[in-house]
Amino acid sequence: GQSLEQPSEVTAVEGAIVQINCTYQTSGFYGLSWYQQHDGGAPTFLSYNALDGLEETGRFSSFLSRSDSYGYLLLQELQMKDSASYFCAVKADTGRRALTFGSGTRLQVQP
Amino acid sequence: NAGVTQTPKFQVLKTGQSMTLQCAQDMNHEYMSWYRQDPGMGLRLIHYSVGAGITDQGEVPNGYNVSRSTTEDFPLRLLSAAPSQTSVYFCASAKRDNEQFFGPGTRLTVL
Repeated sequence: GQSLEQPSEVTAVEGAIVQINCTYQTSGFYGLSWYQQHDGGAPTFLSYNALDGLEETGRFSSFLSRSDSYGYLLLQELQMKDSASYFCAVKADTGRRALTFGSGTRLQVQP
Repeated sequence: NAGVTQTPKFQVLKTGQSMTLQCAQDMNHEYMSWYRQDPGMGLRLIHYSVGAGITDQGEVPNGYNVSRSTTEDFPLRLLSAAPSQTSVYFCASAKRDNEQFFGPGTRLTVL
């Protein structure tokens, strides 16, 4: 089976940088994804890491260390609109394309 | 493109009633899936399909049926609704691994 751990809540101020960590335990591993979900909305895809290292997409970056079963999402130049829940998800079976999601980290950006 | 559409947006059922949640996508994606999301939790996979005529169970399949007669449609049937099935249901589709596109969700309450 698969399990993921991420902090339940993070608070930061506008303009700051915040890092949301995710540790996982899986029977097989193909990649780590990040999704954003605003209250009442649907999850939207942010990033995917299959290999070790940092992937950058605008203000958002995602990092993966396969040897440590660890990844993080880095949000820079925080804006009020970044207040949302962030979920990490692992893909552990290439045939199924099924994702196992963490419980989510609620990010609150304060002025 | 409309993307992934779901109907209805809201539904209230009585215990024991049955109903079908509709999901359609116009992106010609082979992979479709159904998730449920309970308050403060991540998404849990109910059923998924890797193509027309092929379906399989996810993490929490009990009480739900699916079929996939076309590439576009992937309905989820609740056989005999129970209060434990009160949740928000998301349908998702994907062509490329790990970038899943989610519908707006159906908010279901079972009394």
